Amino acid sequence: RKEVEQDPGPFNVPEGATVAFNCTYSNSASQSFFWYRQDCRKEPKLLMSVYSSGNEDGRFTAQLNRASQYISLLIRDSKLSDSATYLCVVNTGGSQGNLIFGKGTKLSVKP
Amino acid sequence: GAGVSQSPRYKVAKRGQDVALRCDPISGHVSLFWYQQALGQGPEFLTYFQNEAQLDKSGLPSDRFFAERPEGSVSTLKIQRTQQEDSAVYLCASAGMRSYEQYFGPGTRLTVT
Repeated sequence: RKEVEQDPGPFNVPEGATVAFNCTYSNSASQSFFWYRQDCRKEPKLLMSVYSSGNEDGRFTAQLNRASQYISLLIRDSKLSDSATYLCVVNTGGSQGNLIFGKGTKLSVKP
Repeated sequence: GAGVSQSPRYKVAKRGQDVALRCDPISGHVSLFWYQQALGQGPEFLTYFQNEAQLDKSGLPSDRFFAERPEGSVSTLKIQRTQQEDSAVYLCASAGMRSYEQYFGPGTRLTVT
């Protein structure tokens, strides 16, 4: 079983739709959680950290459920520019920052 | 300020050749990470430095892979006797005091023919 598993995707949605991505992680000792965004043939970029209390950044909301080892990302009012691959990322703390990435979920927002 | 830079951006090597990939982290970042990203996959951890010390190399797939960061700034990832399965994008990331926030370079796309 992979350490971080994500919805397989791809997600094809119209502009303005709300879309949710889910992710589960296997290591209960995981300490930090993130969503990264990766555009085609570009490097991953930090979208947002995920906190136990849940956090929101504009149209993006991230939630963490430690008991279920589950992380989610909700995108409201999706834009064409949101089209990218979204990577669920976990830091197990093994080497002070070693990140474990999911395979990513591809999102395509259509006009 | 300048972000993480990597060179070369693209590298084509014949099987059996040695290659060296360079990473210039963000100035002042003490932590530096190397990841390998195969097509359609997420990045996978290779190795981690804190300043010049290589604290974790558990992700290096074989002894053909070697990384160094002799002065605690620029890092080089070397792959000896390249094989086709080494074809991937090699990403470098650096982090400052809050080491879980990593900033990635553009990557080096290695193709072994």
